[in-house]
Amino acid sequence: NAGVTQTPKFQVLKTGQSMTLQCAQDMNHNSMYWYRQDPGMGLRLIYYSASEGTTDKGEVPNGYNVSRLNKREFSLRLESAAPSQTSVYFCASKAANTGELFFGEGSRLTVL
Amino acid sequence: GENVEQHPSTLSVQEGDSAVIKCTYSDSASNYFPWYKQELGKRPQLIIDIRSNVGEKKDQRIAVTLNKTAKHFSLHITETQPEDSAVYFCAASIGAQKLVFGQGTRLTINP
Repeated sequence: NAGVTQTPKFQVLKTGQSMTLQCAQDMNHNSMYWYRQDPGMGLRLIYYSASEGTTDKGEVPNGYNVSRLNKREFSLRLESAAPSQTSVYFCASKAANTGELFFGEGSRLTVL
Repeated sequence: GENVEQHPSTLSVQEGDSAVIKCTYSDSASNYFPWYKQELGKRPQLIIDIRSNVGEKKDQRIAVTLNKTAKHFSLHITETQPEDSAVYFCAASIGAQKLVFGQGTRLTINP
């Protein structure tokens, strides 16, 4: 039981490049989330998916797109990376019975 | 929009003393208030949570209190130990699906 797995762990991009962060969970959770973490800003919600086939914007969706590929997988795409997107990105899934979020290990993205 | 304010941003206490972190929220419909602990370089993990029908909850050395009227909740850690050093985040539910997090508190336990 791996929990929530996200890749890559580290990535350096140049301004304007695109990339996709991958996330998968093996806990059969319906809801999945993408957060970004910046110093002094806490965890801010980018997008979430309440169930397979649905996605919704969070607090800071601009510059990102998501895909809920199936119940297990929820990916985050940066189409044209900007330095302001330098951050640590966390994927999470939610246990419906308790509301607890289970986070992945994080992906550190640097945009030059 | 909905937000959660967390204070203080940094907190340093002597080992064995107590630590208190406070949060306020804006959405009166929020009904779930978890606290997450993040050790350096690690992922956030749930340490305790409270729901709006309860005023206080305790788990060994940690406790959370909730004042719905004032829209604030607090984390209390007693008999602090070096392994309590971490960043702590409060959060409040927004609707059925979303959590909004506070800015975080870096807690340092001095030996």
